[in-house]
Amino acid sequence: NAGVMQNPRHLVRRRGQEARLRCSPMKGHSHVYWYRQLPEEGLKFMVYLQKENIIDESGMPKERFSAEFPKEGPSILRIQQVVRGDSAAYFCASSPTPPSSLHTQYFGPGTRLTVL
Amino acid sequence: RKEVEQDPGPFNVPEGATVAFNCTYSNSASQSFFWYRQDCRKEPKLLMSVYSSGNEDGRFTAQLNRASQYISLLIRDSKLSDSATYLCVVNGGAGNNRKLIWGLGTSLAVNP
Repeated sequence: NAGVMQNPRHLVRRRGQEARLRCSPMKGHSHVYWYRQLPEEGLKFMVYLQKENIIDESGMPKERFSAEFPKEGPSILRIQQVVRGDSAAYFCASSPTPPSSLHTQYFGPGTRLTVL
Repeated sequence: RKEVEQDPGPFNVPEGATVAFNCTYSNSASQSFFWYRQDCRKEPKLLMSVYSSGNEDGRFTAQLNRASQYISLLIRDSKLSDSATYLCVVNGGAGNNRKLIWGLGTSLAVNP
């Protein structure tokens, strides 16, 4: 059973460009979470999605950031008009159900975004 | 007060030492508790869930004190490979049970 897959692993963009980060959850997992980790900082929740639905986007910046999890295909985190402050590691996690003692989240290897 | 608080460390211990990490959480309605470890520049990995009665997995013991809203992780006979950041994670509680709240982590360095 393949784990959570993210691509690309490393992404370099110039200021003003768009960044698209992809996440394929573990097989059988329908809940996807995106987190951002700035250098030397903790993990910050961004958004929680189920297939075709955004459940909780309370951690998403109000502008330039969007996320989707279509019926078919991976979840996408999209950052428009990137700025240097967007440089970070973006982790995706998945779970088969909402979090509980029995079912927690499993993480992908992350995408490291560098904005020049 | 932060929702999940941890001592950032770093904890520097010799191999074979016993080390304990503490974590406090603010939401008394939280029901699920976890410890994750994160190696430098890697993704967090689940270390263990924390159950009300306390639980042990090899050299690792987790305890939960609901009355004090306090979680601990004990590592016995530390190995060099235990060097990592340990993240305390709590679910968002009643009405927000789907969200996990993450501590900033406690850094551990095990020295030869």
